[in-house]
Amino acid sequence: DTAVSQTPKYLVTQMGNDKSIKCEQNLGHDTMYWYKQDSKKFLKIMFSYNNKELIINETVPNRFSPKSPDKAHLNLHINSLELGDSAVYFCASSQDGTGYSPETQYFGPGTRLLVL
Amino acid sequence: AQRVTQPEKLLSVFKGAPVELKCNYSYSGSPELFWYVQYSRQRLQLLLRHISRESIKGFTADLNKGETSFHLKKPFAQEEDSAMYYCALSRVRSGGYNKLIFGAGTRLAVHP
Repeated sequence: DTAVSQTPKYLVTQMGNDKSIKCEQNLGHDTMYWYKQDSKKFLKIMFSYNNKELIINETVPNRFSPKSPDKAHLNLHINSLELGDSAVYFCASSQDGTGYSPETQYFGPGTRLLVL
Repeated sequence: AQRVTQPEKLLSVFKGAPVELKCNYSYSGSPELFWYVQYSRQRLQLLLRHISRESIKGFTADLNKGETSFHLKKPFAQEEDSAMYYCALSRVRSGGYNKLIFGAGTRLAVHP
């Protein structure tokens, strides 16, 4: 009964390849997020979707393309992988994500991406 | 600009010692602040949020608007408290969407 799940857990790939990371939440939440945690453990938001619509798009290279087929899923596709993309990518979800009430975000276990 | 600062990368204490993890923020509006914790090889999870004014696992945090701080405290550290702690600020963007801004994190190491 995992709340937020991600696949794969680990991803090792060569520079220049294209890869996808999948995220699913079974909490019935409306909003999902992707975060990047770099080697110094710094956590930064990349994207957020609310009911399949993109609502937050930080300064991220356009090689990164999120896709939300439905509100329970938010996938991250990365084209032409670079060494600097090596990081842990976390998916998260929250009940609403809109409005003026702060909400708890629930995080997935992370996907550790290593680009060689 | 909105910013969350955690000045200590690593805080090392002995079991039973008091702990204070510092967090300062910069935000022009009314801040909503959180502490998230990441235990080794586990996912990030909410520890506490300032509006709840609760104590979780013996930790408390008080929002001090004058000092723009939200320090996390525990009177007696336990070894199982060893983890990475992130302070986060919830910021409402235009259009009403919430966004969490995280600090750089502080690793707490509690030694026996």
